[in-house]
Amino acid sequence: DIVMTQTPLSLSVTPGQPASISCKSSQSLLHSDGKTYLYWYLQRPGQSPQLLIYEVSSRFSGVPHGFSGSGSGTDFTLKISRVEAEDVGVYYCMQGVHLPVTFGQGTRLEIK
Amino acid sequence: EVQLVESGGGLVQPGRSLRLSCTASGFTFGDYIMSWFRQAPGKGLEWVSFIRSKAYGGTTEYGASVKGRFIISRDDSKSIAYLQMNSLRTEDTAIYYCVRHRGLAPDYWGQGTLVTVSS
Repeated sequence: DIVMTQTPLSLSVTPGQPASISCKSSQSLLHSDGKTYLYWYLQRPGQSPQLLIYEVSSRFSGVPHGFSGSGSGTDFTLKISRVEAEDVGVYYCMQGVHLPVTFGQGTRLEIK
Repeated sequence: EVQLVESGGGLVQPGRSLRLSCTASGFTFGDYIMSWFRQAPGKGLEWVSFIRSKAYGGTTEYGASVKGRFIISRDDSKSIAYLQMNSLRTEDTAIYYCVRHRGLAPDYWGQGTLVTVSS
């Protein structure tokens, strides 16, 4: 199974400041079709996960421009340009290139 | 608006069975891969199973921890996905989420249904 490792596991950010989360996979997430199946999700407290970023860097419908994804191969990053109160929750990276689909441990973001 | 509503969760004894349902609306159900994911209390996310659309054979895949015990199915005429869970174990206790895939990307998640396996 592909192991997804997120860092840091927790983040405390002042509103208006940027935040960055790293996700590293144990194998390349580049598929033979040329796409890289790396996703980012946010699970707000008491809610189900919501898709933020798909295929490394494409923002899902309705996701604010302040969220961006980058990376390739085995190293990926989610950036929030200016953290707001509604960004609180747990962020997960997920790979979908190899079965089983696997997730990172999650990064808990809180507001200072 | 895409909506996924799970039902069928509850308290069940170890070794017993339970069937979860996911009723979908707001999209052409038969065109999409559908999955089940789960989240044990206070833990991270785990993929359970998915079923491809009929256009791709309607074939199924399972995570190792549930293979041979759980069965995923779909009724496209009713826009419902099912998860038949047999030989339940205490470690199957979790919130179970129904999820739609756009291509391979799990995009919309339901609110989940809690399954508690305990004697």
